[in-house]
Amino acid sequence: SYELTQPPSVSVSPGQTARITCSGDALPKQYAYWYQQKPGQAPVLVIYKDSERPSGIPERFSGSSSGTTVTLTISGVQAEDEADYYCQSADSSGTVVFGGGTKLTVL
Amino acid sequence: QVQLVQSGAEVKKPGASVKVSCKASGYTFTSYDINWVRQATGQGLEWMGWMNPNSGNTGYAQKFQGRVTMTRNTSISTAYMELSSLRSEDTAVYYCARGLGDYDSSGYYYWFDPWGQGTLVTVSS
Repeated sequence: SYELTQPPSVSVSPGQTARITCSGDALPKQYAYWYQQKPGQAPVLVIYKDSERPSGIPERFSGSSSGTTVTLTISGVQAEDEADYYCQSADSSGTVVFGGGTKLTVL
Repeated sequence: QVQLVQSGAEVKKPGASVKVSCKASGYTFTSYDINWVRQATGQGLEWMGWMNPNSGNTGYAQKFQGRVTMTRNTSISTAYMELSSLRSEDTAVYYCARGLGDYDSSGYYYWFDPWGQGTLVTVSS
């Protein structure tokens, strides 16, 4: 199996841009997905296929991919964006992997 | 709207089994996989496996092989996850999630949306 590596924490001030990375050797060959999880709640999909945004997710959430690293960018961070963020990938054999999660703190 | 509603919290003794249900609504139950993901307190997400409600086919993470069984009842659009030989380390919130997957011009894709509200399973003597 393979791993996805995320920084444990990222801190930004309101209105700034937050960037959360996710690294993995398989990412050049596989799509990545991002989930937001607030305390006591189930995860919510915020980015799929590296950079696509589901309906209902604010435009300030975006995703990008470069080599073995994918990045979730939150522009103009708001207090309500404070949450844990997880990246996820999957291969065609049916194996799913999650990153360890990143706690976003809005100062 | 598409929704997954899970059964309530469970308390089990070590060595016992637990069966958690996940009722789907708002879409055709047999058209999408159901996955199970768990999360211990203060920890990250851990994928357990998937089930195709149409065929009943399953795929389990290696860690849970031999201990987990995923089944369904299509007449009531409900999926089940049973975990046996419980130990204290299995104490966690268990989520079901609809899996959306296929191939496009760039390759294979598979993501989870939506998720159930979670079921807390506590294993304690």
